[in-house]
Amino acid sequence: NAGVTQTPKFRILKIGQSMTLQCAQDMNHNYMYWYRQDPGMGLKLIYYSVGAGITDKGEVPNGYNVSRSTTEDFPLRLELAAPSQTSVYFCASTQGWEQFFGPGTRLTVL
Amino acid sequence: GDSVTQMEGPVTLSEEAFLTINCTYTATGYPSLFWYVQYPGEGLQLLLKATKADDKGSNKGFEATYRKETTSFHLEKGSVQVSDSAVYFCARSNAGGTSYGKLTFGQGTILTVHP
Repeated sequence: NAGVTQTPKFRILKIGQSMTLQCAQDMNHNYMYWYRQDPGMGLKLIYYSVGAGITDKGEVPNGYNVSRSTTEDFPLRLELAAPSQTSVYFCASTQGWEQFFGPGTRLTVL
Repeated sequence: GDSVTQMEGPVTLSEEAFLTINCTYTATGYPSLFWYVQYPGEGLQLLLKATKADDKGSNKGFEATYRKETTSFHLEKGSVQVSDSAVYFCARSNAGGTSYGKLTFGQGTILTVHP
């Protein structure tokens, strides 16, 4: 099993550009999450999903959108990127109490 | 709401020193408690967990005991190694029947171990 995979690993965007961060898991987990990690701030939940076709906002959803058309994939969309979205983004999934994390995407918005 | 507070970091130790990283949580509901570790350039991975009061989680020489009376889940290791250098996150499960596996994380503690 590959676990949770994320692409790309790194990306630099200009202000106002848009992009999609990809996340996939092969563990058949229903629950998936997107977090952002800012230095010294821990992880903040952006969006989560409890199954295909079902998503909901987390703690910091503004400026982001998600979709969940399949159990495996949970992409995160950034529209009109802003410098405040410079962060490391982690995707995670679970079927119980342990969340499994991807390796992260480091995004810089200049 | 749910929250987790970790001791201010970073922590710098010499090899074989004793480690304690403090963690306290809000007492809403009956949370499960976790310690996650993040090695440089990687995602988080579960280090240990405890699901009810007085449970002790342990793994790789690390231990933490679920203390309901003090709402604490401090991480300890008797003798740290250079390879333990990482960021450590304390986390609790969210309260409520519709928590959907969500976790609340502390801010993380950077541990650096010198030879």
